[in-house]
Amino acid sequence: EVQLVESGGGLVQPGGSLRLSCAASGFTFSSYWMHWVRQTPGKGLLWVSRIHSDGSSTSYADSVKGRFTISRDNAKSTLYLQMNSLRAEDTAVYYCARDGRYNWNSNWFDPWGQGTLVTVSS
Amino acid sequence: EIVLTQSPGTLSLSPGERASLSCRASQSVTSTYLAWYQQRPGQAPRLLIYGASSRATGIPDRFSGSGSGTDFTLTISRLEPEDFAVYFCQQYGSSPSTFGQGTKVEIK
Repeated sequence: EVQLVESGGGLVQPGGSLRLSCAASGFTFSSYWMHWVRQTPGKGLLWVSRIHSDGSSTSYADSVKGRFTISRDNAKSTLYLQMNSLRAEDTAVYYCARDGRYNWNSNWFDPWGQGTLVTVSS
Repeated sequence: EIVLTQSPGTLSLSPGERASLSCRASQSVTSTYLAWYQQRPGQAPRLLIYGASSRATGIPDRFSGSGSGTDFTLTISRLEPEDFAVYFCQQYGSSPSTFGQGTKVEIK
């Protein structure tokens, strides 16, 4: 069974940092692009970042560029999101998601993890 | 970026009825690169449809997608109790990929 399990969320002060992890199992992690997507009640779903299957290429939404860094460890089947200079508007549930196509960047997402809540507040 | 507008915001229907959900794009979606997701309360989104009309693995055939250009539709032919949820569309043909704001299908 394909599984994605996020961890690392929590409460952090504005300007602070947090590192999210996503442990993958049930598939060949190193053969898939991976993504982070966040969700808030007010602004809905927002694609945050993606990374090539071998880690060689990354992309970010404008709203997080320069503050967030996506990375992966294929030996550990784990995806990461390092979040720095956090702002109140980064408060959201963060999901990791596998790309929909094997060895391709399709940019649709299947499956998604259960999500981890990040709250940025003083 | 492409803005997706879903309508209606809420759809009140009874089990067994047919549901039609609309997703309209602010500009043409490249190559029908449109997906639909279902989100039940407290759960992550689940892929239903990709490529505007292709059902994802394990999705019942009561779910169907159609459309092209700027107008897309998700149809649920006969609502089952587990189908009452929120549905999102997503375009992935232009960067950045964007989502609609969702349509809630609730029990009437």
